[in-house]
Amino acid sequence: SQQGEEDPQALSIQEGENATMNCSYKTSINNLQWYRQNSGRGLVHLILIRSNEREKHSGRLRVTLDTSKKSSSLLITASRAADTASYFCATEGQGGKLIFGQGTELSVKP
Amino acid sequence: GAGVSQSPSNKVTEKGKDVELRCDPISGHTALYWYRQRLGQGLEFLIYFQGNSAPDKSGLPSDRFSAERTGESVSTLTIQRTQQEDSAVYLCASRLDPSGREQYFGPGTRLTVT
Repeated sequence: SQQGEEDPQALSIQEGENATMNCSYKTSINNLQWYRQNSGRGLVHLILIRSNEREKHSGRLRVTLDTSKKSSSLLITASRAADTASYFCATEGQGGKLIFGQGTELSVKP
Repeated sequence: GAGVSQSPSNKVTEKGKDVELRCDPISGHTALYWYRQRLGQGLEFLIYFQGNSAPDKSGLPSDRFSAERTGESVSTLTIQRTQQEDSAVYLCASRLDPSGREQYFGPGTRLTVT
């Protein structure tokens, strides 16, 4: 069964706007990771946040983690058409196994 | 190449046939994962190899599915007596050590069972 649940399932915005995606999970984690997928093929790692961290930045990406609420958010600022993709959160517990959410499909219109 | 590679990239097979999918991880990566992704869905964990430890097979959906890995090299995922519901993209990923790092994904094998 999937651990993470993401919302929204789909998000459509205009270029230049910010995009926020949320992820909730059920069990304790060591870290949470966000990945991007283009065209239903291989995923690309975006950012990893550890369970003792609350916020992390990488370029136009900002990730927050609230372990008390078992939730995370991914913010993409100043979005571009090239950001159009599916975004997945994945949680890692003991043993190194990653459990992925269902994903958010982001469409950025030029 | 430096990345994870998978072969074949596409496979069309008839229902009831066996298929074998291959994954070449990044050299030196001790952990290797297989996932299945149905159209428009998230990734389903299938199996996880870590060094010489016993693999975590908890995600394999039935006994028709099996996977092998020799040491820290190539892995093969075998699906016996394929069914139409096995149609999906099968993704492989590798990682340098067992925890706390990102996974590197291959491009996937798109399996279509007719």
